[in-house]
Amino acid sequence: NAGVTQTPKFQVLKTGQSMTLQCAQDMNHEYMSWYRQDPGMGLRLIHYSVGAGITDQGEVPNGYNVSRSTTEDFPLRLLSAAPSQTSVYFCASSYQGAQNTGELFFGEGSRLTVL
Amino acid sequence: GEDVEQSLFLSVREGDSSVINCTYTDSSSTYLYWYKQEPGAGLQLLTYIFSNMDMKQDQRLTVLLNKKDKHLSLRIADTQTGDSAIYFCAEMRTGRRALTFGSGTRLQVQP
Repeated sequence: NAGVTQTPKFQVLKTGQSMTLQCAQDMNHEYMSWYRQDPGMGLRLIHYSVGAGITDQGEVPNGYNVSRSTTEDFPLRLLSAAPSQTSVYFCASSYQGAQNTGELFFGEGSRLTVL
Repeated sequence: GEDVEQSLFLSVREGDSSVINCTYTDSSSTYLYWYKQEPGAGLQLLTYIFSNMDMKQDQRLTVLLNKKDKHLSLRIADTQTGDSAIYFCAEMRTGRRALTFGSGTRLQVQP
């Protein structure tokens, strides 16, 4: 009954460091996505994937890379962290079948601070 | 999301009704959603409405959709302190798989 699992929950980085935020789901969902949440700005889409081997950019992709080698996992990489990437990051997945209502299932979030 | 707008804050007394409003700009939206976020947690789907519907009721929740004005509202009847959270409106547009979210409305319920 895990749903969408994100790790780590908290991370502090120095400017220029790299790191990967992990996301795993056990619901066999084809669609996975990463959002960032900033005060007063709602959630903005960073990258998404409609299936293993397929990724695409969202609204704010710069500074982030993703890959989707398996259905279950969708890691988000920051190659050279910047203070502007201080945010709360959410991974979300959904089923893409014919009766799809588009409901997204969210992880609990990863709070990242870049100094 | 700049295409979906919500007021930032709403305060009500316990037992009153709460009405949270949202406006969107894309008339091709297929589904519209209300998500709830409690402190330190991810978002959870509260309810959704298909674009060919005007109203949907689910226990204490009533969703109204005015497609002409591109206006969506969420009414919570008999608001409880446990309803205190941030509420996000979101839309799914035709041909897109991603949701566009509003900036969220913080609902504060006073005992």
